[in-house]
Amino acid sequence: GESVGLHLPTLSVQEGDNSIINCAYSNSASDYFIWYKQESGKGPQFIIDIRSNMDKRQGQRVTVLLNKTVKHLSLQIAATQPGDSAVYFCAEKDPGTYKYIFGTGTRLKVLA
Amino acid sequence: DGGITQSPKYLFRKEGQNVTLSCEQNLNHDAMYWYRQDPGQGLRLIYYSQIVNDFQKGDIAEGYSVSREKKESFPLTVTSAQKNPTAFYLCASSGSRQETQYFGPGTRLLVL
Repeated sequence: GESVGLHLPTLSVQEGDNSIINCAYSNSASDYFIWYKQESGKGPQFIIDIRSNMDKRQGQRVTVLLNKTVKHLSLQIAATQPGDSAVYFCAEKDPGTYKYIFGTGTRLKVLA
Repeated sequence: DGGITQSPKYLFRKEGQNVTLSCEQNLNHDAMYWYRQDPGQGLRLIYYSQIVNDFQKGDIAEGYSVSREKKESFPLTVTSAQKNPTAFYLCASSGSRQETQYFGPGTRLLVL
């Protein structure tokens, strides 16, 4: 498969542990955020989203936290599995437009 | 891939040649997008379209062209003016009310 990001920051976690991936966003007026998972050679896959009127949102094994004070977003993955190995990146919607701004991504490696 | 198809999966371009990447969606989404992804970098917006027969340049539009004659289709042409076309190209779409952006599987463009 094709490598998505050769020089991305990497987070290595043991299988079964929890993972926390962080993202800083740029615009304090942004009101909608998305986390994506991208496996090698594939298109990004939607994981979870959150609006700025929320601080926390939970999905299946994933939680997104939003700290508007410091413009910080995090993705928590519970009980990390080998299938979670991928590049994860956040996106913020540019307010009043159809455009999105993407972070560079973090590679998650799950160690058996 | 959320009802978005891209073809071909791999595309080879000769020097001085124009090539066209296909993107089709059956999600009834109004907005469609083209991104370029290079190793170690985030997604960069090439063009986007909010409605049929209308589109706007993104951050790296030089050397690319698009059309939006149908709601379902948003083809991207990589022209001979694009001197460094080797990259992974991703098409995406989003609805006017539902802001979540979904991606296709991508096309890898290589230069011979």
